[in-house]
Amino acid sequence: NAGVTQTPKFQVLKTGQSMTLQCAQDMNHEYMSWYRQDPGMGLRLIHYSVGAGITDQGEVPNGYNVSRSTTEDFPLRLLSAAPSQTSVYFCASSYDPGFSGNTIYFGEGSWLTVV
Amino acid sequence: DQQVKQNSPSLSVQEGRISILNCDYTNSMFDYFLWYKKYPAEGPTFLISISSIKDKNEDGRFTVFLNKSAKHLSLHIVPSQPGDSAVYFCAASARREGGKLIFGQGTELSVKP
Repeated sequence: NAGVTQTPKFQVLKTGQSMTLQCAQDMNHEYMSWYRQDPGMGLRLIHYSVGAGITDQGEVPNGYNVSRSTTEDFPLRLLSAAPSQTSVYFCASSYDPGFSGNTIYFGEGSWLTVV
Repeated sequence: DQQVKQNSPSLSVQEGRISILNCDYTNSMFDYFLWYKKYPAEGPTFLISISSIKDKNEDGRFTVFLNKSAKHLSLHIVPSQPGDSAVYFCAASARREGGKLIFGQGTELSVKP
């Protein structure tokens, strides 16, 4: 049981490049989400999905794109990377979104630097 | 507009004493509150939660208090141990808003031996 797997763990991008952060879970969770963590800002919700084919915006969606074609995968796309997107990204999944807390599983994080 | 706020970026406590971490929120629709603990280079892990219909929840050394009228919650750790040193995030969710989990900025707790 792998839980929530994020790839890559580290990435350096040049401004204007595009890339996709991958997130996969093997727990058959309906709810998945992406967060970014920045110093002094905590974890901010980028996008989330309550099931395959359904996505919605979080607190800071600009510059990011998501899709949910399967229950297992929830990739996060940066279409044209900017230095402001330098951050640590966390993917999370749950069968019960947020209501009991211990049902949410986080990945180990992806460190992205945009130069 | 930050809906969940942790105004203390850091807290230092002596081993064996009580650690009190505070959190304020603005959205009255929140009906579940949670605390997460995070070590460097790891994802957050769940610590304890409380429903909005309660004012206290206890789990071992950890107790969360909720004051709905003040829109304030706190996490008490008694006794504090060096292994508790980590960043603690307060989070909240509203079932009627799709269950989005909104986090505060975090408080870095340092427990000194």
